[in-house]
Amino acid sequence: DQQVKQNSPSLSVQEGRISILNCDYTNSMFDYFLWYKKYPAEGPTFLISISSIKDKNEDGRFTVFLNKSAKHLSLHIVPSQPGDSAVYFCAASAYPRIDSGGGADGLTFGKGTHLIIQP
Amino acid sequence: NAGVTQTPKFQVLKTGQSMTLQCAQDMNHNSMYWYRQDPGMGLRLIYYSASEGTTDKGEVPNGYNVSRLNKREFSLRLESAAPSQTSVYFCASSALTRSTYNEQFFGPGTRLTVL
Repeated sequence: DQQVKQNSPSLSVQEGRISILNCDYTNSMFDYFLWYKKYPAEGPTFLISISSIKDKNEDGRFTVFLNKSAKHLSLHIVPSQPGDSAVYFCAASAYPRIDSGGGADGLTFGKGTHLIIQP
Repeated sequence: NAGVTQTPKFQVLKTGQSMTLQCAQDMNHNSMYWYRQDPGMGLRLIYYSASEGTTDKGEVPNGYNVSRLNKREFSLRLESAAPSQTSVYFCASSALTRSTYNEQFFGPGTRLTVL
């Protein structure tokens, strides 16, 4: 049973327009969410994250929105550029136990969305 | 500052052979992780080490063992390789601070084929 779902295997967007990538989750224990970008033959690269106490986090052209009641998050890229063409993974975890001295659990990933930016 | 390094980059094994995948990080991170990625799938957690001296099973631990050798190094061992273990293996590490939370940094991956 997939706990993190990315229902669009691929998405094609024109250069300069907005790219919106969606992600749904089912596990109520998740309270920290991340987006990763991956090029072929490379490891995933961290893009942006959000904790469940927020509903929006922005970093340059990238904004992540979280709707906790709907268990849904989305990544907006504005404006889209050719270098944004890659596979984007949504990931989730329980909040790391920083204060208790505990460690961080692993991440649960979606299957990814292949974003293609067309000139 | 190399970040997370993995060796080897590629490996071909025969069924039943054993091997160890090596991972090292130079960012002084406490937590380290091993994931596998199969075609059309996201990354799945095999094992992780939240801190030096501890290891825990992830989603798909069967057929694997790990060793957290020291703070820098975390190895993954396949004792008797099976074709189902053909995959790309990624190692990751995280600092676990108030500013970076569980942001994980990934290595370039090891592409393993078991014949």
